[in-house]
Amino acid sequence: ELKVEQNPLFLSMQEGKNYTIYCNYSTTSDRLYWYRQDPGKSLESLFVLLSNGAVKQEGRLMASLDTKARLSTLHITAAVHDLSATYFCAVDKYNNNDMRFGAGTRLTVKP
Amino acid sequence: DSGVTQTPKHLITATGQRVTLRCSPRSGDLSVYWYQQSLDQGLQFLIQYYNGEERAKGNILERFSAQQFPDLHSELNLSSLELGDSALYFCASSVDSTAKAFFGQGTRLTVV
Repeated sequence: ELKVEQNPLFLSMQEGKNYTIYCNYSTTSDRLYWYRQDPGKSLESLFVLLSNGAVKQEGRLMASLDTKARLSTLHITAAVHDLSATYFCAVDKYNNNDMRFGAGTRLTVKP
Repeated sequence: DSGVTQTPKHLITATGQRVTLRCSPRSGDLSVYWYQQSLDQGLQFLIQYYNGEERAKGNILERFSAQQFPDLHSELNLSSLELGDSALYFCASSVDSTAKAFFGQGTRLTVV
């Protein structure tokens, strides 16, 4: 069964600092997704990673995928308060598209 | 505004009842996805449709069903409702499975 683990589950960081959120998954998967959710709001799709070594960046967020290690990272550079949210990763497979989500990482960026 | 419209925004109903949630995708998007988010189970993928056909199935109960109509809007039907079905139900749409999806604001279902 496909399992997805995120860590840390809670992250409090100072503005201007860098940090990384990790997403490990248990079986071979074809696609890796990162989402953001603000409190009480809907989800926002951040990145879709399709192949080993894929790296995508948008603003202060950069996501990468290592399919051999079954690991994706979401790196935050010079955090700002507006990045405070819960970040979810999810994986699925092309033929058996049962998507599974991680539990989410609640990020708080303090001034 | 993501361009994805979900109705209703809130729904309160009794156990044993049946409800229908509606989703209108962004213009041009052929894929529609349904998700459930609850405190107990977290985020779960329910089902995906692509251009009217079921494309992928997740952790969707047999009491739940969905369809995508020729105009590409989708409906999620939940029947024999139980207290545990209380959750946020999100719909999303995308051009295809490899593209970013855009989410609606969700329907908050409360079963009493």
